[in-house]
Amino acid sequence: DADVTQTPRNRITKTGKRIMLECSQTKGHDRMYWYRQDPGLGLRLIYYSFDVKDINKGEISDGYSVSRQAQAKFSLSLESAIPNQTALYFCATSVWDSRYANYGYTFGSGTRLTVV
Amino acid sequence: DQQVKQNSPSLSVQEGRISILNCDYTNSMFDYFLWYKKYPAEGPTFLISISSIKDKNEDGRFTVFLNKSAKHLSLHIVPSQPGDSAVYFCAASGQGGSEKLVFGKGTKLTVNP
Repeated sequence: DADVTQTPRNRITKTGKRIMLECSQTKGHDRMYWYRQDPGLGLRLIYYSFDVKDINKGEISDGYSVSRQAQAKFSLSLESAIPNQTALYFCATSVWDSRYANYGYTFGSGTRLTVV
Repeated sequence: DQQVKQNSPSLSVQEGRISILNCDYTNSMFDYFLWYKKYPAEGPTFLISISSIKDKNEDGRFTVFLNKSAKHLSLHIVPSQPGDSAVYFCAASGQGGSEKLVFGKGTKLTVNP
């Protein structure tokens, strides 16, 4: 089983619909993130959480909300989906890695979301 | 304002030759730099990193060079193999990792047999 699991892998939804993307991890990491990838734009941070009671906005949080249900679960919601939210979404976790004296990140395989 | 820049969207090299991927940054507070590799339908995977106290880090066929005065880093892959064909992302963080990762737009590397 993958360390960071995202569901669904692919989703097509209609404009105006509410949709939730889920992320669960078995690594026991406190820090979790949601990123969005658009062609030619790299990965941009939507929201992040450093523990269950900590939620922070990233650079592109408008139109999104998150829920940290447990240490292992971090969900991303689009309250009213719009076409320009069509993108590849990645969940990630991180933990301090003494080998590098810095944080090591693990990414899920992504959710491809299409809003029509 | 883009803080991490990868100005080459794509790069094509022959198998066995050297691949050089470049990355520039603007934020002088960045002190840790990473390269990630991404295959289609998969998430990014960590490749190699370098701290700002070093100017070179090597791991097998992969070497990252950091030029702090120029705010420039590069990833060298020698020799390049067809399995190296992927999108490579440069990323940076500051304040000993307490800051979040900032990614470049990525460079698609194609290694031709």
